[in-house]
Amino acid sequence: DTQLTQSPSSVSASVGDRVTITCRASEHISNWLAWYQQKPGKAPKFLIYAASNLQSGVPSRFSGSGSGTDFSLTINSLQSEDFATYYCQQSNTLPLTFGGGTVVEMK
Amino acid sequence: QVQLVQSGPEVKKPGASVRVSCKTSGFSFSSYDINWVRQAAGQGLEWMGWSNPNSGKTHFPQKFQGRLIMTRNTSIGTAYMELSSLTSDDTAIYFCARAFGQYGLDVWGQGTTVTVSS
Repeated sequence: DTQLTQSPSSVSASVGDRVTITCRASEHISNWLAWYQQKPGKAPKFLIYAASNLQSGVPSRFSGSGSGTDFSLTINSLQSEDFATYYCQQSNTLPLTFGGGTVVEMK
Repeated sequence: QVQLVQSGPEVKKPGASVRVSCKTSGFSFSSYDINWVRQAAGQGLEWMGWSNPNSGKTHFPQKFQGRLIMTRNTSIGTAYMELSSLTSDDTAIYFCARAFGQYGLDVWGQGTTVTVSS
């Protein structure tokens, strides 16, 4: 199975900050990587696909990059509604796997 | 609009089975794979498998072999996930999600809480 390692596991930030989360795959996955946002008690929300493509309706302050084994999600000018847990997920091979999650919390 | 609406919470005893439904609307049910993902309290996301509503084909990890069944009723646009031989480790929120091709899971159900307790 392809393992995804996210870092950091948590980050404290303030509104207006820039936050970057990384996701490292245990093997080459090309650009088959997606990012999700999850708030407490809610289902995950699909943010980015194919490593860098913004899903329709997602604010442009979110961006993704990377290919191969190293990926990142950046939130520019963090807003109050962005405090949540973020997960990466690979779809290069089955089984689909998720990273362990990164909690973005208020400083 | 595109929606996935899941069945309500379940409480089961160890060894029992549970079936969760996922009713779709707003899109062609036969055109999208449906995936199942679960999340134990305070934990991350675990993919359980997918089913193709058109062909009925399914795929899920080895750990669920023999106790996971995914079915569908295309006439009412509903997918089902049935997990048997439940243990306390199966206590979790279960989500269905629509596949956006191979790119990811773009629409999610609201989740169904399954509690396994004696």
